[in-house]
Amino acid sequence: DAKTTQPTSMDCAEGRAANLPCNHSTISGNEYVYWYRQIHSQGPQYIIHGLKNNETNEMASLIITEDRKSSTLILPHATLRDTAVYYCIGPYFGNEKLTFGTGTRLTIIP
Amino acid sequence: DAGVIQSPRHEVTEMGQEVTLRCKPISGHNSLFWYRQTMMRGLELLIYFNNNVPIDDSGMPEDRFSAKMPNASFSTLKIQPSEPRDSAVYFCASSLVGGKNSPLHFGNGTRLTVT
Repeated sequence: DAKTTQPTSMDCAEGRAANLPCNHSTISGNEYVYWYRQIHSQGPQYIIHGLKNNETNEMASLIITEDRKSSTLILPHATLRDTAVYYCIGPYFGNEKLTFGTGTRLTIIP
Repeated sequence: DAGVIQSPRHEVTEMGQEVTLRCKPISGHNSLFWYRQTMMRGLELLIYFNNNVPIDDSGMPEDRFSAKMPNASFSTLKIQPSEPRDSAVYFCASSLVGGKNSPLHFGNGTRLTVT
C-alpha cells in the first residue's frame, strides 16, 4: 500500500502557484519522495524527486520539511495544461516497486 | 529518445480470447514494469523485471496473466483466456535502476476492452 497521504482534489487559478501537499510520515532517512502526474488518457509523467534538500527543475519545485515527513510540490505559474492527477510516491528506495495511491486531482481554473 | 512504446494502443476482444500486449522499453533501461489502471482500483503494479528477470509478480491477479521479457528491448503481457473484468488500461514503464535517481518512464498504455 502507498505510504503517502494527499488531498483528493484541489483547484487553482490559472497563472497562480499551485501548491500540492503530501504527507509521508513513515519515511526513513534513505528513502526518496517522487512526484508524478497523469493527464487524462496518458501514462503517468515523472515530475521531480528529492531526498531532503529542496529541488527545482523546469517543471516544478519540491519543498521537503526538515523532518522529511511531508513535502509540497509547487507549480509556480499554473496553466490549463497542468490539470491532471498528481501522485506523491514514497517512501521509495532504489529497486523497490513503486506503488501509486489515489493522488490529488488538480483542476486549473481559467 | 522515442520513449516507452506500447502496442496496440487499443484492443477490443471477446471473452475467452487470448490477448497479448507489447512493450518496448527505453534503450539502456534495465528495469521494466507492467501496471494496470481501472477507475475502481487505480494504478496497480502487476509485475516488474530487472535485467530481464521477473523480480516480483505478486500483483499478477491470476494464472490467466503471464509476462515475459525475452530480451532487454521487448516484453509481453498475455491474458489467456480474457474476461470482461480484465478491461482496463495497461501501462508499461521502464527505468534505469542501480541508484536512487531512477524515475519511471511510462508508455501511453493499451486500452483493453473485453466484451
